[in-house]
Amino acid sequence: QKEVEQNSGPLSVPEGAIASLNCTYSDRGSQSFFWYRQYSGKSPELIMSIYSNGDKEDGRFTAQLNKASQYVSLLIRDSQPSDSATYLCAVKNRDYKLSFGAGTTVTVRA
Amino acid sequence: EAGVTQFPSHSVIEKGQTVTLRCDPISGHDNLYWYRRVMGKEIKFLLHFVKESKQDESGMPNNRFLAERTGGTYSTLKVQPAELEDSGVYFCASSQLEASPGNEQFFGPGTRLTVL
Repeated sequence: QKEVEQNSGPLSVPEGAIASLNCTYSDRGSQSFFWYRQYSGKSPELIMSIYSNGDKEDGRFTAQLNKASQYVSLLIRDSQPSDSATYLCAVKNRDYKLSFGAGTTVTVRA
Repeated sequence: EAGVTQFPSHSVIEKGQTVTLRCDPISGHDNLYWYRRVMGKEIKFLLHFVKESKQDESGMPNNRFLAERTGGTYSTLKVQPAELEDSGVYFCASSQLEASPGNEQFFGPGTRLTVL
């Protein structure tokens, strides 16, 4: 079983729609959860972090965490063409290293 | 403030050769991490430095990989001798010393290594 699994892509959404990304993790001791955005050939860039159950909103992004279900998600509202990228779910354990999912490629159609 | 920098951006070498990758973390960041992404796979942890000390090297694939961080500033990752399966993108990340789970890791642009 992989440590972090993401819904398989690619995900194509029309401009203005909501993009929904899902992620599950296997280690119940995981403490911190992150969403990174990576444009092709660029470094992963942190866009959201969440540590407690519930929702966390930042602009057009909302992260949701459910530790009981070992599930974390990212919603992108009012998707823009500039949101087209690969989104990486990452989980940090007690030893501070990140475990990543394989990523979901999102394409926003103008 | 400069971000994490890595050198070179690309490296193409032949099997059996040696390659050294360099990472310069954000100034003042004591934590330095190396990660790797091989084709079609997820980004995987290699090792973690706190200042000049190796905190965790559980992700290093074998003894052909040697990481150093002399002086607690920049780090190098040497692959000797390189094998075909070492091809991939090697990322470096850094974070501040505070040992909190939420401490953000800032990533460099990566070095794309191709072993022929």
